[in-house]
Amino acid sequence: DAKTTQPPSMDCAEGRAANLPCNHSTISGNEYVYWYRQIHSQGPQYIIHGLKNNETNEMASLIITEDRKSSTLILPHATLRDTAVYYCIVYASGTYKYIFGTGTRLKVLA
Amino acid sequence: NAGVMQNPRHLVRRRGQEARLRCSPMKGHSHVYWYRQLPEEGLKFMVYLQKENIIDESGMPKERFSAEFPKEGPSILRIQQVVRGDSAAYFCASSADRVSFLYEQYFGPGTRLTVT
Repeated sequence: DAKTTQPPSMDCAEGRAANLPCNHSTISGNEYVYWYRQIHSQGPQYIIHGLKNNETNEMASLIITEDRKSSTLILPHATLRDTAVYYCIVYASGTYKYIFGTGTRLKVLA
Repeated sequence: NAGVMQNPRHLVRRRGQEARLRCSPMKGHSHVYWYRQLPEEGLKFMVYLQKENIIDESGMPKERFSAEFPKEGPSILRIQQVVRGDSAAYFCASSADRVSFLYEQYFGPGTRLTVT
């Protein structure tokens, strides 16, 4: 079973920041938080990952709480092309198996 | 650098036929993973392979399903005697050699299997 819980759906206005939360209260010390998204049934696309520090790349920012029990993926200026299902995955280093939950369906509105 | 390639993208089979799904990993990747996605669900892990070895097939049904990743050529997921419940999207992912202990999996576009 997935070790994460996410809201099933969210809306966001185009140009605004999209903040997608994820709870992972049973995360272990060696487990990372990964985010992927799936646009219209295409293959999942890697976005970002982190352990305990906040991370930023060209796509998004990842904010992980100090106790590591939850995190937030931030898309700073959402566009219509960001409409997708976003998956938060807890992944232990040295393992290989992604366990996907049902994700959050983000709809960016014009 | 070409991404993960899968073919065919769409496959229609009648009940009882065989389905063969192919996956070519990204250049330089020797780890391949297969996932299955039923409609409105998340992806479910099926099998993890390295060249010529099956490392973990715990997510694969015990009967009718098999996977291989030969020394040369793509990885193959084979489903014998397909049934309607096999209708799904099948995704392949690949990752780099474990130079470090942490690596991302990169997914292909998927093969959509429809069993009629």
